[in-house]
Amino acid sequence: AQSVTQLGSHVSVSEGALVLLRCNYSSSVPPYLFWYVQYPNQGLQLLLKYTTGATLVKGINGFEAEFKKSETSFHLTKPSAHMSDAAEYFCAVSGNNFNKFYFGSGTKLNVKP
Amino acid sequence: GAGVSQSPSNKVTEKGKDVELRCDPISGHTALYWYRQSLGQGLEFLIYFQGNSAPDKSGLPSDRFSAERTGGSVSTLTIQRTQQEDSAVYLCASSGLQGIYGYTFGSGTRLTVV
Repeated sequence: AQSVTQLGSHVSVSEGALVLLRCNYSSSVPPYLFWYVQYPNQGLQLLLKYTTGATLVKGINGFEAEFKKSETSFHLTKPSAHMSDAAEYFCAVSGNNFNKFYFGSGTKLNVKP
Repeated sequence: GAGVSQSPSNKVTEKGKDVELRCDPISGHTALYWYRQSLGQGLEFLIYFQGNSAPDKSGLPSDRFSAERTGGSVSTLTIQRTQQEDSAVYLCASSGLQGIYGYTFGSGTRLTVV
């Protein structure tokens, strides 16, 4: 069965600093991988996705993630954090037949002024 | 509609009562999903509908939970004889093509069982 591990339930960075949110997955088949962001009292919004092709994918708000098959990782990065990036971030991986996705437990990002 | 609409946004119910949560997906999206988000935890898959196929109910935690999707559009998640552990945010999402391009989520229904 697929599983997703997000290392660090809380991450705190200073405004302008690098953001790195870690995601590792287990999957028996090449997966589809997603990052979602959830702002307080809102639903989840798609940040970026990897399905096929280029392993470095760019998303909204300056975020990007790199699919590394050898490391079974899909870490999310942003070169310079902004106060508005404070939110909870979820990594998700597809199931074997792509009809549902398995989500990590989330990482809350705090951005300090 | 322009987005996925869920109602009510908040629901407080007494233990033992039944509740119905509604999801109105994006027009034309054939796939509809229900997830549950408990405090401090990730999203737990509940059920998946795709077109006219039989739903994937493998995530429903007990037989008190059921869901239906009428006419391939609106879905209702029903929880019978609610328990305190059912308190959570229930999120609905819809997509085309089995979600490979990502889901669109609604804002959720926050259910509190007292």
